[in-house]
Amino acid sequence: AQKITQTQPGMFVQEKEAVTLDCTYDTSDQSYGLFWYKQPSSGEMIFLIYQGSYDEQNATEGRYSLNFQKARKSANLVISASQLGDSAMYFCAMREGRSGNTGKLIFGQGTTLQVKP
Amino acid sequence: DAGVIQSPRHEVTEMGQEVTLRCKPISGHDYLFWYRQTMMRGLELLIYFNNNVPIDDSGMPEDRFSAKMPNASFSTLKIQPSEPRDSAVYFCASSVWVSEAFFGQGTRLTVV
Repeated sequence: AQKITQTQPGMFVQEKEAVTLDCTYDTSDQSYGLFWYKQPSSGEMIFLIYQGSYDEQNATEGRYSLNFQKARKSANLVISASQLGDSAMYFCAMREGRSGNTGKLIFGQGTTLQVKP
Repeated sequence: DAGVIQSPRHEVTEMGQEVTLRCKPISGHDYLFWYRQTMMRGLELLIYFNNNVPIDDSGMPEDRFSAKMPNASFSTLKIQPSEPRDSAVYFCASSVWVSEAFFGQGTRLTVV
């Protein structure tokens, strides 16, 4: 069965520094996708970055990058040059491919990030 | 496109009443998801549809919860009768298969 684990309930980072948010996953499927979302205090869910299981290179989107280690089943989010506006809850999510639970999208418990000025 | 539209944004109801939450997915998206978010349980997948057909409803907590998708542009999540422990934020999200899911603004439900 699919499972997403985020072991850091809360994190602090100094403004302008980099921070890594951990995510591990479990799946028996060979084809899957990994996602990160941001949820600020206003409550909306904002998509940040996607990594496919067959992608050979780590995904990057601006200041966000995904450190994908397939053998270790980890998909950590790296935020470079943290800004005060990065303070939010961050969720890791996974979708399995068609040979598994078709299209099911599940989320980890989330990590609260606070950026200090 | 206006994105995923949920209504109402806030709902306060008395225990025992029926509650209906509504969702309009993004046009062209073939997947629709309903999630419930609470402090204690995080973001739980309740049910999801593919091409208007329910694929997995194993997350629906009890028979008091039901969801329908009568067409590609509309879905409802109904709770009857509602209970205080149903108080949560309910999100609807839609996607095409290979893409990320786009979320609505959520419905904050309070059952008193």
